[in-house]
Amino acid sequence: GQNIDQPTEMTATEGAIVQINCTYQTSGFNGLFWYQQHAGEAPTFLSYNVLDGLEEKGRFSSFLSRSKGYSYLLLKELQMKDSASYLCAVRDSNYQLIWGAGTKLIIKP
Amino acid sequence: IAGITQAPTSQILAAGRRMTLRCTQDMRHNAMYWYRQDLGLGLRLIHYSNTAGTTGKGEVPDGYSVSRANTDDFPLTLASAVPSQTSVYFCASSDSSGTSNEQFFGPGTRLTVL
Repeated sequence: GQNIDQPTEMTATEGAIVQINCTYQTSGFNGLFWYQQHAGEAPTFLSYNVLDGLEEKGRFSSFLSRSKGYSYLLLKELQMKDSASYLCAVRDSNYQLIWGAGTKLIIKP
Repeated sequence: IAGITQAPTSQILAAGRRMTLRCTQDMRHNAMYWYRQDLGLGLRLIHYSNTAGTTGKGEVPDGYSVSRANTDDFPLTLASAVPSQTSVYFCASSDSSGTSNEQFFGPGTRLTVL
């Protein structure tokens, strides 16, 4: 079966750095996505990785290792507004997205 | 403002009733999707459409139907609602001509079936 695993919840301090991990087992791989979802709102696109390595976009970076079935999202200089759920999704061989359950990130002052 | 709209925002429905959730996008995206999101679970794909006139079944299609008569609209119908269909429903769209083809999401419909 297809499976995306990520921690259920993480806590971090304002101004710090946090790394949210995602491991996957899917039928085929055509890219990995990270989305942010604030409570009661729709998911919004953060990043896309299809090749191994690190993609940096401002305070957010995303890393991919296809051989290990592993990705992480790195958030730097945390702000209170970063409190949200972070969703990892893999596009499979049918070009459909398989979603993890999301990681709820709590930022404390 | 370009984007995706969904209606209604929320709805309480008696079991056995028929309900259509509406979704409209103005970005001229060819692909559209319907997901449900339940606590503790990832988004699950109900139905999708790669282009106007075609639809396909996702992971959890039973009890739901869709149509795609044109590029902009992708309604989701519950023929006879059951309590297990209580969920938040998100419509999304994407442009398959892009590099990442990321999906853009509507604001969601919160549906309660009693």
